[in-house]
Amino acid sequence: TQLLEQSPQFLSIQEGENLTVYCNSSSVFSSLQWYRQEPGEGPVLLVTVVTGGEVKKLKRLTFQFGDARKDSSLHITAAQPGDTGLYLCAGLTTDSWGKLQFGAGTQVVVTP
Amino acid sequence: NAGVTQTPKFQVLKTGQSMTLQCAQDMNHEYMSWYRQDPGMGLRLIHYSVGAGITDQGEVPNGYNVSRSTTEDFPLRLLSAAPSQTSVYFCASSYSRGDSYGYTFGSGTRLTVV
Repeated sequence: TQLLEQSPQFLSIQEGENLTVYCNSSSVFSSLQWYRQEPGEGPVLLVTVVTGGEVKKLKRLTFQFGDARKDSSLHITAAQPGDTGLYLCAGLTTDSWGKLQFGAGTQVVVTP
Repeated sequence: NAGVTQTPKFQVLKTGQSMTLQCAQDMNHEYMSWYRQDPGMGLRLIHYSVGAGITDQGEVPNGYNVSRSTTEDFPLRLLSAAPSQTSVYFCASSYSRGDSYGYTFGSGTRLTVV
């Protein structure tokens, strides 16, 4: 059982549509991060959220950290084929500094 | 600035063989970690280090050893390879400044145990 549960596991949408990926846990996190991974490469950091209720925007991507710091979401507006990739959430709990743990990931495919 | 360098990129081992996956970073990061990635399971933490001379176990440490004698290097040793260790291995490093941190990943080592 993984500490972070991501849903859905797979998402296929058309260019221009919106999508939301969820990351949930029963544990409280000091911070959560979102990464994107392309085939054959390591994950690349997109954003870090540290405050409960925090919302961060990165162009068409909106990240939210839950008020209780147990969950997060990633929303993509008007998805483009370049958004295709594996999206991973990862977090540090309050008692495990340095021990970054990942969810299983959400594979997003955006078709033209 | 090379970032995180992993070697080798590909490796095939026979069951029972041992080997060391190398990881080096040139960013003076305190934190370093090893992960394995298997289909449908995301990245699972094997071992991690919060500084030179300090290591700890992650979620799946059995069959692996690590040491951190310098800030730059964090090798992962497979003691006696098993087919269940076939996976893609990623090394990562991060700075730490209060609540701020940011992990940089290497490009991975694809290991097959036959």
